Order: sequence, then C-alpha cells, then structure tokens
Amino acid sequence: EPEVTQTPSHQVTQMGQEVILRCVPISNHLYFYWYRQILGQKVEFLVSFYNNEISEKSEIFDDQFSVERPDGSNFTLKIRSTKLEDSAMYFCASSDWQGARETQYFGPGTRLLVL
Amino acid sequence: DAKTTQPNSMESNEEEPVHLPCNHSTISGTDYIHWYRQLPSQGPEYVIHGLTSNVNNRMASLAIAEDRKSSTLILHRATLRDAAVYYCILLTGGYNKLIFGAGTRLAVHP
Repeated sequence: EPEVTQTPSHQVTQMGQEVILRCVPISNHLYFYWYRQILGQKVEFLVSFYNNEISEKSEIFDDQFSVERPDGSNFTLKIRSTKLEDSAMYFCASSDWQGARETQYFGPGTRLLVL
Repeated sequence: DAKTTQPNSMESNEEEPVHLPCNHSTISGTDYIHWYRQLPSQGPEYVIHGLTSNVNNRMASLAIAEDRKSSTLILHRATLRDAAVYYCILLTGGYNKLIFGAGTRLAVHP
C-alpha cells in the first residue's frame, strides 16, 4: 500500500539554524500539507500546497517557514532560523483530491528538537 | 475551532465493542463527518467518514444521528492495537485543513 514517507525521523539542531524537513507524498497525490504537534498538545495545521502554490497557511506559518516542491516527488518544509518553540513533531500529509470527502494520508513524522 | 466535542478518555476491554461518541451540534448541511486516529508515536491515520447514512469499512463503523448533530464511531472488537487518540473532524468543501481537537484517548485492556 502506498504511503507517505518523511526524513529524517529525528533532527536535533541549534537555535538559529536552518532545517529542512523532507516528505515524499503518495505518487499520484496533488494536495500536500504540513502539520505539527508540540509534545502533549494538539495536532496543528501549518500549510496546504497545491499546484506549486500555498493554498492556505495558519498564523503559525510565519516568514520563518517556507515550503517547496523541488521536483516531482519531494515536498519540503524549511525553517530558516529555528527557535526553541519550534521543537515538535512535524507531519506531512497528502491527498489525491480536495473536498468534503477528502482523505489525507499522513507520514510518520519528523521529531525536531531545537536546543 | 474544532466544532466537535468528544470525551477526553474511554476504556475498553480487548475483544469488546467500543462506541466513541462525538457531538457536532452546529454541523452544516454540507459538512462531512470524518474520524482519524493517532496511535502512539505515529502520525494521524484516516478511519472513516460519512455524511448522513451509516458507513462501514474494514476498520470501523460510523453511526450518524438522524439530525446529524452527533455521531458514534464503532470498533466492533477492540484490540490492543486500537489504543489511540480518536479525532472526530468536520470537513466542508474547498481547501480542507484538518482541525484537530483533543480527541478521545482510548485505552484497551487485555
């Protein structure tokens, strides 16, 4: 069964450093998402992406964040200058269409720790 | 924001049925009711969705009240692997970010 993959599974970085989290969505999917989950808290939407453009972003997704689909398979989340509060699990998700019956498929996540 | 209300936690014994309730009293006519779950240390996983009629799939059943103001996710025979946080989420048309509430943490006892 096709699945969303994410790399790395864990990343430790120093505050102020740039990190890039990578995702390989399911191959025929067209809609991509990033969510994050701070330890012990709810899963929060960050951004949605379609047709090489951001469809929607949350207020969490400020100028320090960017997303890119650099080729036909990868979908990346970049944090330019990490802060302590960016420590969280980051989940990528994809779907093959949008609408009220949409099913999003999530990756296993990247655990980011900012020191 | 989540527009749904779920109990914080529930418990079940292995092999027994589990009924997980969700209230969504402000649901609109075009909102679909979706359920996701999150196993420990994993990403969320789609379980089932429906609009008005009850739905069944290999994972679970979804019973939707006639007025659509509540729904129940039914796990017919709970296993230890079903221990997870279950989220009830409403989706409408357009760009569909999932808005996760706190969900229901289901514990399954052997």
